[in-house]
Amino acid sequence: DTAVSQTPKYLVTQMGNDKSIKCEQNLGHDTMYWYKQDSKKFLKIMFSYNNKELIINETVPNRFSPKSPDKAHLNLHINSLELGDSAVYFCASSQEWDSVHGYTFGSGTRLTVV
Amino acid sequence: QQPVQSPQAVILREGEDAVINCSSSKALYSVHWYRQKHGEAPVFLMILLKGGEQKGHEKISASFNEKKQQSSLYLTASQLSYSGTYFCGTEGYSSNTGKLIFGQGTTLQVKP
Repeated sequence: DTAVSQTPKYLVTQMGNDKSIKCEQNLGHDTMYWYKQDSKKFLKIMFSYNNKELIINETVPNRFSPKSPDKAHLNLHINSLELGDSAVYFCASSQEWDSVHGYTFGSGTRLTVV
Repeated sequence: QQPVQSPQAVILREGEDAVINCSSSKALYSVHWYRQKHGEAPVFLMILLKGGEQKGHEKISASFNEKKQQSSLYLTASQLSYSGTYFCGTEGYSSNTGKLIFGQGTTLQVKP
């Protein structure tokens, strides 16, 4: 059983389109995150959700919106895609105050905007 | 604020040792270390909390000096499987718990 799963793995789309990336975790963690990894491998936090509440909202464009129907899912919706949105997006999860296990990442979604 | 890792890249022969450093300009509650292989997700190695603790994971260990806001990752007797990009992630003291900020990464290549 995959601990943190993301779909799709690859996404190629045209500028201006709207797309969603789905993430699910079966670890029972209470916090989920979205990270963006650019071509220089820089991992940047975008959002996190704790018990269905947004607790971190970084300075990302409002074209990006996280949606969490329950604590096991955190989806990422992107409106009006731009060339600069091309990157690998990683979903991750953790248990708050867990000082042993760290974050578990999904396998990533490679988004290419053409 | 993003922690700074050094060096940016390391090339080793099998069996050699390496040290990767991570420095922050802010007070740290914890430091995480992850390894990412090409085309894969980052994988958790270890977490260090305040108190100057050290931890080990096989032949990989780390230390955390909270006074200096620095952590170091030690790879001894490196193996081919150690190749990848190593990231430190730092967590500060703030109301936004769980906000892990990653360094820019250190690429490690181990050659036969």
